[in-house]
Amino acid sequence: EAGVAQSPRYKIIEKRQSVAFWCNPISGHATLYWYQQILGQGPKLLIQFQNNGVVDDSQLPKDRFSAERLKGVDSTLKIQPAKLEDSAVYLCASSIPTGGTANEKLFFGSGTQLSVL
Amino acid sequence: AQSVTQLDSQVPVFEEAPVELRCNYSSSVSVYLFWYVQYPNQGLQLLLKYLSGSTLVESINGFEAEFNKSQTSFHLRKPSVHISDTAEYFCAVSPPNSGAGSYQLTFGKGTKLSVIP
Repeated sequence: EAGVAQSPRYKIIEKRQSVAFWCNPISGHATLYWYQQILGQGPKLLIQFQNNGVVDDSQLPKDRFSAERLKGVDSTLKIQPAKLEDSAVYLCASSIPTGGTANEKLFFGSGTQLSVL
Repeated sequence: AQSVTQLDSQVPVFEEAPVELRCNYSSSVSVYLFWYVQYPNQGLQLLLKYLSGSTLVESINGFEAEFNKSQTSFHLRKPSVHISDTAEYFCAVSPPNSGAGSYQLTFGKGTKLSVIP
């Protein structure tokens, strides 16, 4: 079974530039998450999609971050303009929602490491 | 709101020795509890989880964790570690049946386990 695919693997930009990350979840997974993991911290949920609709984006800094999942499959996360504090690993995860039952599991991609200089 | 505290950022231990990675959580509602593992250059993987029932849960590779409601803890243990257990371990909580029926995880900062030959 193919895993969650993310690209690029690494990205280096200067502050005030824009950047975009791409995620392709596991086939058939309706739920997709973007997490931000700053060095030395645990991942923090940015946004959760169910198909192409947003379930929760309460922790997404909407003045500079945006995300979309137009066809309910792959997703892009954009930062514009980037700040130094955006340096982090951006993780994508997917799952099949089962009402929170014991069978549900999140699958994480390897992440995109962003460095803002 | 929930929060997770992992008291140790790094834990070095000799091969075949026992190890305990500590996790405490704070929540005003009941929670589901998880341990995730991140091996070098890989994505996060679910190690084990507690949803309900027996307070002692086990993974397939010899780890176990015990849910202690009175102490709000979910410590991870292994009686004898191997070199291959070297990784970063994250404790996480989720409110049950959150959002669209999928987990919304709040992670701790992680504990780096280094197994010394």
